[in-house]
Amino acid sequence: KQEVTQIPAALSVPEGENLVLNCSFTDSAIYNLQWFRQDPGKGLTSLLLIQSSQREQTSGRLNASLDKSSGRSTLYIAASQPGDSATYLCAVLSVSGGGADGLTFGKGTHLIIQP
Amino acid sequence: GAGVSQSPRYKVAKRGQDVALRCDPISGHVSLFWYQQALGQGPEFLTYFQNEAQLDKSGLPSDRFFAERPEGSVSTLKIQRTQQEDSAVYLCASSLRQSREKLFFGSGTQLSVL
Repeated sequence: KQEVTQIPAALSVPEGENLVLNCSFTDSAIYNLQWFRQDPGKGLTSLLLIQSSQREQTSGRLNASLDKSSGRSTLYIAASQPGDSATYLCAVLSVSGGGADGLTFGKGTHLIIQP
Repeated sequence: GAGVSQSPRYKVAKRGQDVALRCDPISGHVSLFWYQQALGQGPEFLTYFQNEAQLDKSGLPSDRFFAERPEGSVSTLKIQRTQQEDSAVYLCASSLRQSREKLFFGSGTQLSVL
């Protein structure tokens, strides 16, 4: 069964810093990996989707990398801003196993950017 | 509408009551998903529809949970004889074609079972 782990569980940094969030998964047979943002009381917003054949995706100040063979992904946030404060969730779509059409999520990293 | 819409936003139920949660996906989106998110946890997959066909219901925790999408657009998640452990946020998501594409989530229904 696929398991997704996110480290750290929480992070608080001053505004302007660059930061890295980590995600690992146990089964490398995946179709894709997605990073989401969740604000309190809100649903999830998709930030980046990396197909299994890709190594990275970029959107603005965000860059996500994927190393499928080692079961790792990182989300890099450049020049952090207070508006980046949220919970960031990593999720993978596995090739095999039950619930093959559903994403397996990590528990998230709760990020606070101090003004 | 512009996004995925879920109703009600909040639902309080007494233990043993039946509840129905509604999801309006983005117009034209073929795929629809339901997820359950407990406090402090990531969402967990419940079920997946492609048009009106329920292709995967492996994540439904018990036979008290039932989902339908009869006309391939609006979906309803029904929970019978609710229990306290059913308390969670229920999230609906849709994608344009298939399950491997970018998902668009609604704001969820927060269910509290007393």
